[in-house]
Amino acid sequence: DAKTTQPTSMDCAEGRAANLPCNHSTISGNEYVYWYRQIHSQGPQYIIHGLKNNETNEMASLIITEDRKSSTLILPHATLRDTAVYYCIVRAPSSNTGKLIFGQGTTLQVKP
Amino acid sequence: DAGITQSPRHKVTETGTPVTLRCHQTENHRYMYWYRQDPGHGLRLIHYSYGVKDTDKGEVSDGYSVSRSKTEDFLLTLESATSSQTSVYFCAISEPSWEKLFFGSGTQLSVL
Repeated sequence: DAKTTQPTSMDCAEGRAANLPCNHSTISGNEYVYWYRQIHSQGPQYIIHGLKNNETNEMASLIITEDRKSSTLILPHATLRDTAVYYCIVRAPSSNTGKLIFGQGTTLQVKP
Repeated sequence: DAGITQSPRHKVTETGTPVTLRCHQTENHRYMYWYRQDPGHGLRLIHYSYGVKDTDKGEVSDGYSVSRSKTEDFLLTLESATSSQTSVYFCAISEPSWEKLFFGSGTQLSVL
């Protein structure tokens, strides 16, 4: 599975969009980009995933560059409850079932 | 964490004692997983299950055993707890397509 690089921490004002970047320059053609987040003392929560097209769901939007070497998770209107550690993971769905490599992620602090 | 219950939520035990953690799901998902989370190591897979009585080892399985006699229950047993097994344990479930994992709220285990 490809390695990802994320900033250690970010701040965002409440009500503004939070844009969380992720670099995955060694991504393979069959690997998806997944985003999870972990709110303090809770289990990780799936947010969104995509292969090459931009994706949107009720939680967030995922923008993947055309060369697929980087992506951005967008929380359109961040709230205080979005304060969490956000993990970008790249993997092929059929590979090593369950072996998620979460890394250190980005700690997003949403401020009033 | 809808549909996934971990018990107990917190446990303190002594070195050398057996400990069993339980994961119960109401989603009828086929795959279940046990992870541990430690500072500096992220989430690491202990054991996982493809179905009833069908289990396999993850990356940190030494000292742990699992059982799955029913679709909804996945038990993690520490036969003789050690201080190095002090950790937060997360259960997760998914469907075989493995598009996304759903995690429980975790069990904080302290081995003294």
